[in-house]
This record gives sequence, C-alpha cells and structure tokens, in this order.
Amino acid sequence: GENVEQHPSTLSVQEGDSAVIKCTYSDSASNYFPWYKQELGKGPQLIIDIRSNVGEKKDQRIAVTLNKTAKHFSLHITETQPEDSAVYFCAASRGGSGNTPLVFGKGTRLSVIA
Amino acid sequence: EAQVTQNPRYLITVTGKKLTVTCSQNMNHEYMSWYRQDPGLGLRQIYYSMNVEVTDKGDVPEGYKVSRKEKRNFPLILESPSPNQTSLYFCASRVGRGHEQYFGPGTRLTVT
Repeated sequence: GENVEQHPSTLSVQEGDSAVIKCTYSDSASNYFPWYKQELGKGPQLIIDIRSNVGEKKDQRIAVTLNKTAKHFSLHITETQPEDSAVYFCAASRGGSGNTPLVFGKGTRLSVIA
Repeated sequence: EAQVTQNPRYLITVTGKKLTVTCSQNMNHEYMSWYRQDPGLGLRQIYYSMNVEVTDKGDVPEGYKVSRKEKRNFPLILESPSPNQTSLYFCASRVGRGHEQYFGPGTRLTVT
C-alpha cells in the first residue's frame, strides 16, 4: 500500500520568512495530493491540493509543487505569519475504483516566531 | 453550514465498557472515514465506508466496529475498550476519491 513520509517533524521560522515542508510517497499510481492544516483543538482542514496532471499550484502565500518522477511533493508558505503556526499534514491517494483511502504523513509542527 | 459533527467531544471511560462515538455529516457525502491521531504517528485510518452498507478496514481496525445504515451517519463502536485505545479520534467525509475531505472536531477518548 501507499506510504507517505513527511519532513521535518518540527519547523521554526521567523515571521516573514518562508517555510517548506516535504513529503515523499511510494505508490506511483497516487494522483491526488492534499495538504491539511490542524490548529490546536480542531480537526484538520484542507488548505491546498494538487493533482498529478500539474506540477505546481499556488493560492496566495501557499504553493505546492509535485515531482511525479521523484515521487515527492512540497508545501511552500511565504511571508509567514503567527497564525500560520499549526500542524501540517500531507496526504496521497490514487484514483480509480476500489479502496483508495487518503494516506497521511506524520505531520509537521510549524512555529512562526514573531 | 456544511459540517461533520461528532459526539461526545470528550469521553473518559473504563476498560471493557462498550461505547459509541457518533458521527454525522450534512453534505450528502458518500465516503466517510474514522481516524485516530496519536503523537508522532499522525492520522491513521481505522475504518472507512464508500456508501451505505459498504464498509472496510483501514490501517488499524483491531478493537473497533463501524456501521453505515444511513448515508449521513457513521458511528464508531468500541465493544470492549482498552487503554491502548486512548487517543484523539476524527470522523471525516468526502464526496468521492480525489476530493476534499472534511474532518469533524475530534473526540478525545481516555480509557483507564
């Protein structure tokens, strides 16, 4: 089955700097790669996703890149703000029929220091 | 408002006492899942359901049961809870594969 590795497990950045979180996946058939943000005491919430037919997607200060050949994808947050502090999860799943659950990385705790 | 609700939010119980955590979604989603979240282990899927009366095991199904009699509800049942089931549990739903998954607010379960 799919295996998703996420690095780093913790990340501290100064406010205004950029943050990058990286994930690798094992199943070459995976084609959907979402990123979730989990704030303290809440459930994870989707912040951006990318499908295998594109290499990059951007939404304001957040961008995701995908390298299918290398089987890795990354989350980039620019101009970080204190409210970006949270736990971030990457995930991967395949399309098609049958069982295609989302498989999550172990998470990255991001701290933005004001 | 589109949402996934879970009850209870917090539960402390004793070993062996059967319990049910309810989950309900109002988005008419076909897919529903249960996850547990443990420090350093991330989110691990317990069970999932692709539609009414269709359920299947995830990565860590031992000690849990689920049912899907209605599209909106997907309860998680612990027939005989044990301390290693102390965890934070999330219910989630999505319209289908490759679509946004919505999570509930979580249920923190402690088994003593």
